[in-house]
Amino acid sequence: EIMLTQSPDFHSVTPKEKVTITCRASQNIGGNLHWYQQKPDQSPKLLIKFVSQSISGVPSRFSGSGSGTDFTLTINSLEAEDAATYYCHQSSGLPRTFGQGTKVEIK
Amino acid sequence: QVQLVESGGGLVKPGGSLRLSCAASGFSLSDYYMNWIRQAPGKGLEWISYISSSSTYIKYADSVKGRFTISKDNAENSLYLQMNNLRAEDTAVYYCARNLGDFDYWGQGTLVTVSS
Repeated sequence: EIMLTQSPDFHSVTPKEKVTITCRASQNIGGNLHWYQQKPDQSPKLLIKFVSQSISGVPSRFSGSGSGTDFTLTINSLEAEDAATYYCHQSSGLPRTFGQGTKVEIK
Repeated sequence: QVQLVESGGGLVKPGGSLRLSCAASGFSLSDYYMNWIRQAPGKGLEWISYISSSSTYIKYADSVKGRFTISKDNAENSLYLQMNNLRAEDTAVYYCARNLGDFDYWGQGTLVTVSS
């Protein structure tokens, strides 16, 4: 099973700050890494697919990078509506797995 | 527009069974892989199963293998999850999600509570 480890687990940030969340895979997953945003009492929403591909309707302040085993989600100029838990997910192997999540709180 | 609506959750005793449904609209299940993913209260996301567009390929997480069965009815455009021999640790919100790689659309989820 491919393990995904996110850091940090919790991020308390001020509006307009830049946020970086990392996701490390236990083995090479190539470019098969996706990011989701989940707000309280909502289902997850796809933010970035295949490391860095943007999703229609997602604000341009969200971007992704990385390859192999190390990946990053960046939120440029954080807004209050970005308070949520963020998950990475790999589709390289079975079972599909998710990171443990990173909760972003607005100060 | 694409929509996924789960139903069938509820309270069930340990050892009991439940069948979840996911009604799809705005696209055809015959064109996409579909998944079930769950989230225990206050916890992260756990993928539990997928079924291919033609139903040829089916996979399960070890945690549910032998107890859960995924299926779909392309004519009804609905996805199902038959859950047998339920355990307390199966308590979760169950989501259906579309696609093989990235999960591009998710339903709102249905809560399954396993308790005596």
